[in-house]
Amino acid sequence: DAGVIQSPRHEVTEMGQEVTLRCKLISGHNSLFWYRQTMMRGLELLIYFNNNVPIDDSGMPEDRFSAKMPNASFSTLKIQPSEPRDSAVYFCASSPLGGNTIYFGEGSWLTVV
Amino acid sequence: GNSVTQMEGPVTLSEEAFLTINCTYTATGYPSLFWYVQYPGEGLQLLLKATKADDKGSNKGFEATYRKETTSFHLEKGSVQVSDSAVYFCALSLNTGRRALTFGSGTRLQVQP
Repeated sequence: DAGVIQSPRHEVTEMGQEVTLRCKLISGHNSLFWYRQTMMRGLELLIYFNNNVPIDDSGMPEDRFSAKMPNASFSTLKIQPSEPRDSAVYFCASSPLGGNTIYFGEGSWLTVV
Repeated sequence: GNSVTQMEGPVTLSEEAFLTINCTYTATGYPSLFWYVQYPGEGLQLLLKATKADDKGSNKGFEATYRKETTSFHLEKGSVQVSDSAVYFCALSLNTGRRALTFGSGTRLQVQP
């Protein structure tokens, strides 16, 4: 079975540009998580969804960040406008609803210059 | 709140040495405990887990025992290999309510030939 699929794997963009990161959940999974990893702050939960509904978005840094699940198998994380401090690895993860094991994608490595 | 504390790295060992990476936790509820591993340039992979007190998780020669009395989940391996060099993350999720993972800061392991 395919795992969590993220795109792009690497992106370099200029400050002020819009960035869209994409994630495809594992088939049959109902919970979706977005994490950010930086050297300074480690792994931080940004937002998570159950059945397409956002459950906890308290980790979203500010209004420049938004996340959606347009359908049960797909999610986007958008940063508009991007800033250099947004440079990080963004991980998407999924799990079965009620399950206690979360499976991670390979990450999207974002650099904002 | 929920939190996970890991020993600071890097941990540098010679091949075939014994490994211990300490992990302690605080949780408002009754958690499941996890170890994830991140190889250079890759995402997080589940290494092992334990869902209740006194459970032992094991995989690829690694073990960790869920100790409720000491709120600990230390990772051990009897004989490390160069290929074990990676960053190891201890994490918890609650068995009810908020299921998103809370991670420790990670411990880098370097195994020398």
